[in-house]
Amino acid sequence: NAGVTQTPKFQVLKTGQSMTLQCAQDMNHNSMYWYRQDPGMGLRLIYYSASEGTTDKGEVPNGYNVSRLNKREFSLRLESAAPSQTSVYFCASSEWGQGYSPLHFGNGTRLTVT
Amino acid sequence: AQSVAQPEDQVNVAEGNPLTVKCTYSVSGNPYLFWYVQYPNRGLQFLLKYITGDNLVKGSYGFEAEFNKSQTSFHLKKPSALVSDSALYFCAVRPFTGTASKLTFGTGTRLQVTL
Repeated sequence: NAGVTQTPKFQVLKTGQSMTLQCAQDMNHNSMYWYRQDPGMGLRLIYYSASEGTTDKGEVPNGYNVSRLNKREFSLRLESAAPSQTSVYFCASSEWGQGYSPLHFGNGTRLTVT
Repeated sequence: AQSVAQPEDQVNVAEGNPLTVKCTYSVSGNPYLFWYVQYPNRGLQFLLKYITGDNLVKGSYGFEAEFNKSQTSFHLKKPSALVSDSALYFCAVRPFTGTASKLTFGTGTRLQVTL
């Protein structure tokens, strides 16, 4: 069982470059999420997709865009990377409509912007 | 606004001793509460949750958590710590009537278990 798969695992970008982080889940979950993890700040929600065809902003959406490609895949795009976007990015999935349903996380993408 | 406080950045415990990782929360109405664990270079893994009912919740790997409504706390406990329990632990809360997107995480507590 792969669960939630993220690619790439590591990435180094120069300021102003763009990139897309990929995420796929094989648990048939309706909802998918992108979080960033920074030291001392816990996890903060960037964007989420409650179901296929919908996306919404989370707590820290500025500088990011997302695409829910199909039920399995949810990508995060940085159009013009900035040093403040240096972070570890996690994709997660869950059932929607059941608020007590836990999140299932991928293993993260460690991004450094120089 | 809802919030989660994990007052200890790090907790140190000897193997075989009981452990407690503290969490307090603030949320409108009744809460859903969660504990997640993160091992190095991995994503977060679900440990346990409180929805309603019994205040003592049992989860994976022998962990349990006690919900205390009057103290707005949800402390994680284990009767006998193992070295393999060493990891980063996150408490999270969302309101009972909200959606999963309203989940708020604490800043994490690093648990170090030594021989």
